Amino acid sequence: NAGVTQTPKFRVLKTGQSMTLLCAQDMNHEYMYWYRQDPGMGLRLIHYSVGEGTTAKGEVPDGYNVSRLKKQNFLLGLESAAPSQTSVYFCASSYPPGLGNQPQHFGDGTRLSIL
Amino acid sequence: GESVGLHLPTLSVQEGDNSIINCAYSNSASDYFIWYKQESGKGPQFIIDIRSNMDKRQGQRVTVLLNKTVKHLSLQIAATQPGDSAVYFCAENIYGNQGGKLIFGQGTELSVKP
Repeated sequence: NAGVTQTPKFRVLKTGQSMTLLCAQDMNHEYMYWYRQDPGMGLRLIHYSVGEGTTAKGEVPDGYNVSRLKKQNFLLGLESAAPSQTSVYFCASSYPPGLGNQPQHFGDGTRLSIL
Repeated sequence: GESVGLHLPTLSVQEGDNSIINCAYSNSASDYFIWYKQESGKGPQFIIDIRSNMDKRQGQRVTVLLNKTVKHLSLQIAATQPGDSAVYFCAENIYGNQGGKLIFGQGTELSVKP
């Protein structure tokens, strides 16, 4: 099993450009999440999804959009990139919390720099 | 001008010693807690979790202790090895609610001296 796979691993953008980060999981998880991690800080939730076709805002959603057209994929979009969005982005997935202890499983991140 | 970033709390231990990493959580309604390990350039890796109906849970070389009275969580690593060097995060959740969302702590950097 690959687990959670994120593409690309690295990307440099200019201010105002757009891009989409892709997350794919092969664990048949219902729930998927996008986080950002900045130096010396824990992870902050951007958006999440509790199932195919559903999305919801997290702690820091502004400037991002997401889509969950297929259960195994969760896309994070930046419509007009800003330097403040320079960060490392992590995707995670899990079973629904009601099915026992269900920790989130993370990908290895996408390192994004906005110039 | 020069920017100053946040500095993670750091714990330095000798190889073979036991390590204790502490975490204060914020929400008294949280009832599910997870410890993650993050190595440089990698994503967080699940170590161990605990529900609020327990105060101790053991895994392989790791033990998590939960004190709900003072909202404190700790991770104990026995016989610490160089491969344990990483940043460790605690995370809390209100079990079954809020879409399974986790709230992460700042993290503690563990450095193991050979």
